[in-house]
Amino acid sequence: AQTVTQSQPEMSVQEAETVTLSCTYDTSESDYYLFWYKQPPSRQMILVIRQEAYKQQNATENRFSVNFQKAAKSFSLKISDSQLGDAAMYFCAYRSQRGGKLIFGQGTELSVKP
Amino acid sequence: GAGVSQSPSNKVTEKGKDVELRCDPISGHTALYWYRQSLGQGLEFLIYFQGNSAPDKSGLPSDRFSAERTGGSVSTLTIQRTQQEDSAVYLCASSLERLAAGELFFGEGSRLTVL
Repeated sequence: AQTVTQSQPEMSVQEAETVTLSCTYDTSESDYYLFWYKQPPSRQMILVIRQEAYKQQNATENRFSVNFQKAAKSFSLKISDSQLGDAAMYFCAYRSQRGGKLIFGQGTELSVKP
Repeated sequence: GAGVSQSPSNKVTEKGKDVELRCDPISGHTALYWYRQSLGQGLEFLIYFQGNSAPDKSGLPSDRFSAERTGGSVSTLTIQRTQQEDSAVYLCASSLERLAAGELFFGEGSRLTVL
């Protein structure tokens, strides 16, 4: 069975600085998808970025980028130029190429200091 | 509405009572998911619908939990004889299709408190 692990329950970053959130996963599949979701205090989960395992190029969405290391089964999220609105819970998630459920990690709570 | 709608947003009930939580997905979305999020925890998968059928209900924690989806749209999650450990936020999500790359759109959740 696939598992997702986020080893940092809490992280803190100074406004305008860069922070990296870690995620590792375990799977025997060769093709799959990885996601980072953000959950602000309003509770509504929002997709931040996604990565297809068959793509070697790391995904980028504006200030958000990933470092995808397939052999190491690592999928970290880098947030550049952190803003106060980035403060939230961040979840890493795995999905099989066959579709179906997303498997989530335990989350990392990010605080941004002004 | 434009997004996934869940009701009620908050529900307080007494131990032993039955509760129903409703999810109205984005129009046209064929896939629907239920997750449970306990305080400070990650998201625990409960059940997944494709249309009206549930190809994966492996996350339902006990036979007190059931879910149905009618007309390929609205879904209801029912918890019978609620227990205190059922207290959590229940999140619903929908997606346009079952392809693995598809984004899940989440509702704001229903917070259940069992006294």
